[in-house]
Amino acid sequence: GQNIDQPTEMTATEGAIVQINCTYQTSGFNGLFWYQQHAGEAPTFLSYNVLDGLEEKGRFSSFLSRSKGYSYLLLKELQMKDSASYLCAVRDSNYQLIWGAGTKLIIKP
Amino acid sequence: IAGITQAPTSQILAAGRRMTLRCTQDMRHNAMYWYRQDLGLGLRLIHYSNTAGTTGKGEVPDGYSVSRANTDDFPLTLASAVPSQTSVYFCASSDDSNSPLHFGNGTRLTVT
Repeated sequence: GQNIDQPTEMTATEGAIVQINCTYQTSGFNGLFWYQQHAGEAPTFLSYNVLDGLEEKGRFSSFLSRSKGYSYLLLKELQMKDSASYLCAVRDSNYQLIWGAGTKLIIKP
Repeated sequence: IAGITQAPTSQILAAGRRMTLRCTQDMRHNAMYWYRQDLGLGLRLIHYSNTAGTTGKGEVPDGYSVSRANTDDFPLTLASAVPSQTSVYFCASSDDSNSPLHFGNGTRLTVT
């Protein structure tokens, strides 16, 4: 079966750096997405990786290793507003998105 | 305002009743999707439409139906609601199968 694994919850301190990992086993691979979802709100797109390596976008970076079935989202200079759930999703060989359950990130002052 | 509009925002529904969740987008996106989100689970695809006039079944289609008469609208119908359909429902759209999804604000549905 297809599976996306992410930690359920993480805690970090304001101003620090946090890395959220995502491992996947899917039928084929056509890209990996990270979304941010604040409580009670819709998911919003953060990043997309289809080739191995690091994609940087401001305070957020996303890394992909296709051979390891692994990605991480790196958040730098954490702010209180970064408290949210972070969803990892992989597009499989049929171009369907397979979603992880999300990682709830708690930021403490 | 560009984006996706879902209605209603929330609804309490008696089991056995019929309900249509509305979704409209003004971005002229070809593809539209309906997901449900339940605590501890990833988003699960109910139905999708790659273009106006076509629809397809997702991971959890039973008890739901959709139609795509035009580009903008993609309603989801529960013919006879059951308590297991209590969930938050998100409509989403994308320009094509390679593009990121844009989500509506969701409909919180409780079936009693």
